Amino acid sequence: KNEVEQSPQNLTAQEGEFITINCSYSVGISALHWLQQHPGGGIVSLFMLSSGKKKHGRLIATINIQEKHSSLHITASHPRDSAVYICAATPLYNQGGKLIFGQGTELSVKP
Amino acid sequence: SAVISQKPSRDICQRGTSLTIQCQVDSQVTMMFWYRQQPGQSLTLIATANQGSEATYESGFVIDKFPISRPNLTFSTLTVSNMSPEDSSIYLCSVDGLAGYDEQFFGPGTRLTVL
Repeated sequence: KNEVEQSPQNLTAQEGEFITINCSYSVGISALHWLQQHPGGGIVSLFMLSSGKKKHGRLIATINIQEKHSSLHITASHPRDSAVYICAATPLYNQGGKLIFGQGTELSVKP
Repeated sequence: SAVISQKPSRDICQRGTSLTIQCQVDSQVTMMFWYRQQPGQSLTLIATANQGSEATYESGFVIDKFPISRPNLTFSTLTVSNMSPEDSSIYLCSVDGLAGYDEQFFGPGTRLTVL
């Protein structure tokens, strides 16, 4: 079992829909990252959070430390949101900045 | 935040050849990381590169296959040596944030196809 699990693995939505991607982890962490990878391959860091909730535009990330769970929400989804979303954890046993990655969620938003 | 550039952005190479990928950061950083992402897979850490010391390789990766240089605090290279089709992947570099290990910034990636 992976230390960081994401669901769903694939998601197709209609433009305008509210989207939720989930991430569960089984290790103690100091930070949880949400990353976005576009088809070209480059990765953009969306959020880094260790507690509570963060919002940026139409994106919201939440984390529940007790339940070891984080969610990424996209409101009023748009085709340009189509990408792979990756959850990654900085473990408490962190050795030199290594991250533990989830498998990714491939999101496709249809017009 | 740090702005990272990689060269080349993509390449198609012949089996048995080598390719050197460059990673340039717009600020001085302590740690640089090199990742591989095989088709349909998540990222796998190849090695961590600190300036002035040998790179630290993860299990399954060796220096002869993936030699790394880190000549200064803003630049690193990864060479993929004696390539085979199995090396076809996206290679990404990332750096730690100025605030410490918890933050990481990623480059745009190099998409490598080996024929």
